Amino acid sequence: GAVVSQHPSRVICKSGTSVKIECRSLDFQATTMFWYRQFPKQSLMLMATSNEGSKATYEQGVEKDKFLINHASLTLSTLTVTSAHPEDSSFYICSARGFGQEHSPLHFGNGTRLTVT
Amino acid sequence: DAKTTQPTSMDCAEGRAANLPCNHSTISGNEYVYWYRQIHSQGPQYIIHGLKNNETNEMASLIITEDRKSSTLILPHATLRDTAVYYCIGDNYNQGGKLIFGQGTELSVKP
Repeated sequence: GAVVSQHPSRVICKSGTSVKIECRSLDFQATTMFWYRQFPKQSLMLMATSNEGSKATYEQGVEKDKFLINHASLTLSTLTVTSAHPEDSSFYICSARGFGQEHSPLHFGNGTRLTVT
Repeated sequence: DAKTTQPTSMDCAEGRAANLPCNHSTISGNEYVYWYRQIHSQGPQYIIHGLKNNETNEMASLIITEDRKSSTLILPHATLRDTAVYYCIGDNYNQGGKLIFGQGTELSVKP
């Protein structure tokens, strides 16, 4: 079945540094990927929609300059958390749907646990 | 996007059927209902989806009411590994296919 891979699965960084998270669709092409964030005991919150070859669309309240998204190919989207602070510590999850597969299920990565010290 | 309402938590005995309800009274005619689950510290896992007809796959069955205002996910023989948070979500493909997660139902399967 379709697989979405995220890397790294866990990362610890110091306050003020930047962290890049990769999301790859392994056996299908995805013109659109979605980035979510999840705090402990809470549901997933959609951060942004990543569009291949164009700018990402951010949800209300999500800072585009802090969470940089690049979707340079049909199988790779990256999320960079810039100048990370402890409050950015969270579980980041990406998802993707195959190109042209409307109403097919979204496939999710296994998430990246970010801890900012 | 369709807002969904689910009970916060449910218990189920191992080996018994788990019936998880979802209300989606604002769903539109072409909006699918998707079910996902999330086991602790993992990404969500797709379970099943449907539009009007009942659906069944190797994981579960989905029963959608005729008026499409509610649905029930059925795990026919729950196991301890089915303990997870279950999310019922309305498809929003008309707005780019993004899925907006509600709070879900925390299902605890007990021995």
